Amino acid sequence: GAVVSQHPSWVICKSGTSVKIECRSLDFQATTMFWYRQFPKQSLMLMATSNEGSKATYEQGVEKDKFLINHASLTLSTLTVTSAHPEDSSFYICSARDEGDRGPRGQETQYFGPGTRLLVL
Amino acid sequence: GNSVTQMEGPVTLSEEAFLTINCTYTATGYPSLFWYVQYPGEGLQLLLKATKADDKGSNKGFEATYRKETTSFHLEKGSVQVSDSAVYFCALSGGLNFNKFYFGSGTKLNVKP
Repeated sequence: GAVVSQHPSWVICKSGTSVKIECRSLDFQATTMFWYRQFPKQSLMLMATSNEGSKATYEQGVEKDKFLINHASLTLSTLTVTSAHPEDSSFYICSARDEGDRGPRGQETQYFGPGTRLLVL
Repeated sequence: GNSVTQMEGPVTLSEEAFLTINCTYTATGYPSLFWYVQYPGEGLQLLLKATKADDKGSNKGFEATYRKETTSFHLEKGSVQVSDSAVYFCALSGGLNFNKFYFGSGTKLNVKP
């Protein structure tokens, strides 16, 4: 299957700093990538949809100025957590949609990165 | 709207036991259905999928059949191993919004030797 990588795998930072997380599709092009947040022992919460060459679409309740998304190429999307605070500590997972892997009615499969664990002190 | 409901865990089994994790869905249109597995500290890995009614997805001994009449996609394995211990997520995509995935709450499986 398609491979998605994330970097870094974990990061510890001081409160008030900004942290950038990269998501790359390694063996396919992805015009659309997704950013999720996962709290301990919970399911994934979709934060935003990242579209190559255009603005990201944020889910209700997600601050777009807090979580900056840039999708500058067909294989790379970045999530920047600006002025991070301890409540931003979480596991962030990206996924990419492989448009070449569709069901009979156009349904698409998402492939997930390994996640980035962020701890804000 | 679209939603996925899966059985609450944790599920604790002995090695070589039979596994069933229930998943039902609500969707408009014709979604694809997925099972993802998450090992501790890792992201999600696609385990199997089915894209139309009556399709059976299978991988690594796991199976799930897309049942439109019961709107279900239950995950089964005939003989679990300790290495299968993980959290399993049922998900759907498609219907009227191909962009979004809808996840169940996840079911933690513990397999004891």
